[in-house]
Amino acid sequence: QKEVEQNSGPLSVPEGAIASLNCTYSDRGSQSFFWYRQYSGKSPELIMFIYSNGDKEDGRFTAQLNKASQYVSLLIRDSQPSDSATYLCAGHSGTYKYIFGTGTRLKVLA
Amino acid sequence: GAGVSQTPSNKVTEKGKYVELRCDPISGHTALYWYRQSLGQGPEFLIYFQGTGAADDSGLPNDRFFAVRPEGSVSTLKIQRTERGDSAVYLCASGAGTSGATQYFGPGTRLTVL
Repeated sequence: QKEVEQNSGPLSVPEGAIASLNCTYSDRGSQSFFWYRQYSGKSPELIMFIYSNGDKEDGRFTAQLNKASQYVSLLIRDSQPSDSATYLCAGHSGTYKYIFGTGTRLKVLA
Repeated sequence: GAGVSQTPSNKVTEKGKYVELRCDPISGHTALYWYRQSLGQGPEFLIYFQGTGAADDSGLPNDRFFAVRPEGSVSTLKIQRTERGDSAVYLCASGAGTSGATQYFGPGTRLTVL
């Protein structure tokens, strides 16, 4: 069973802090990883994707990938209350199939 | 441009009834996915279309579930003899290509089976 695992949380951080969200995966064939944000009652919204080892930055968001450790993370700098949502990590094996984690609920405290 | 649309947004039905859920993907997107999401869970893969054909339907839970995409655009997910356990949000996503293509989700259809 190919899995993507996330801590369900909630992860609580104060406003302005860095939120660190983590994801591990079991399929070494996974090539790309996607982070989605999902507000309560809404559908997932793509934040960013990463396919190379290292860091990828986009505004306040940084995705990190370590294929040797099978570990993906998302850092959110200067966290805002509007960032409070569930963050879904998804792995993609290079064909078409995406495997989603259960998501981590983030709460940014004002 | 217009995103992925899904209708209805909410569907309440009785156990044993038949339902159809519709997905209208982003124009030009050849890849279309159906997922099911239960409370507190991530989206669970149901079926993938590339063009008109179902390239992978391995996620459909049983033969009560069926999906079509006859013209390579709009897709319909059909559920026969609904059961209470079918209650969930059904998400559709579309993408511009095959491997590695980013997918974009529609707003979902919340199905409630009484």
